[in-house]
Amino acid sequence: ETGVTQTPRHLVMGMTNKKSLKCEQHLGHNAMYWYKQSAKKPLELMFVYNFKEQTENNSVPSRFSPECPNSSHLFLHLHTLQPEDSALYLCASSPRNGGSYEQYFGPGTRLTVT
Amino acid sequence: SQQGEEDPQALSIQEGENATMNCSYKTSINNLQWYRQNSGRGLVHLILIRSNEREKHSGRLRVTLDTSKKSSSLLITASRAADTASYFCATVPNQAGTALIFGKGTTLSVSS
Repeated sequence: ETGVTQTPRHLVMGMTNKKSLKCEQHLGHNAMYWYKQSAKKPLELMFVYNFKEQTENNSVPSRFSPECPNSSHLFLHLHTLQPEDSALYLCASSPRNGGSYEQYFGPGTRLTVT
Repeated sequence: SQQGEEDPQALSIQEGENATMNCSYKTSINNLQWYRQNSGRGLVHLILIRSNEREKHSGRLRVTLDTSKKSSSLLITASRAADTASYFCATVPNQAGTALIFGKGTTLSVSS
């Protein structure tokens, strides 16, 4: 275990549903990340939070809404998704934002949009 | 934007053989990291090599970095079936903020 947990592990939702993904890290880190991993594509960075403040939004559609209430928790709120949003969503954390630090990943949430 | 690109895309070997994966990148970097991902799971950090380092070892892993060629290689010696996974390189471009940029990965299959 990496110290980063994600729930749920699997999620099937319709295009009109609203759901949330949760990530929690027990490592005392101050930076948290959301990534999207689609088949045959590189891992795509979606959002970065550093000390609870969003520092990067990688041109993500507004149907994805992140929330970081504290340094240990990160949420991704989903609404009116499209079938092409089906993917593995990975959360990661690091001591601080910055490429000098290794990132610790959660197991991911496999999302299917029907 | 994709920065690192791994080669080959897929590699199949027998247990006990060595596996070599390569990563090429486009711009100058602060460091380069290698990660492993077992099927459908999260990524696990393997090793970080800084731009002023040329070689680094960790157990059966050996990573080299050639900044003049903008390339890195990951060598896994005496491979095991448990090494079957996808391997990704990730870089932090000097001019492009602080986020890691991942390649598409090399899928390694080790058969017993």
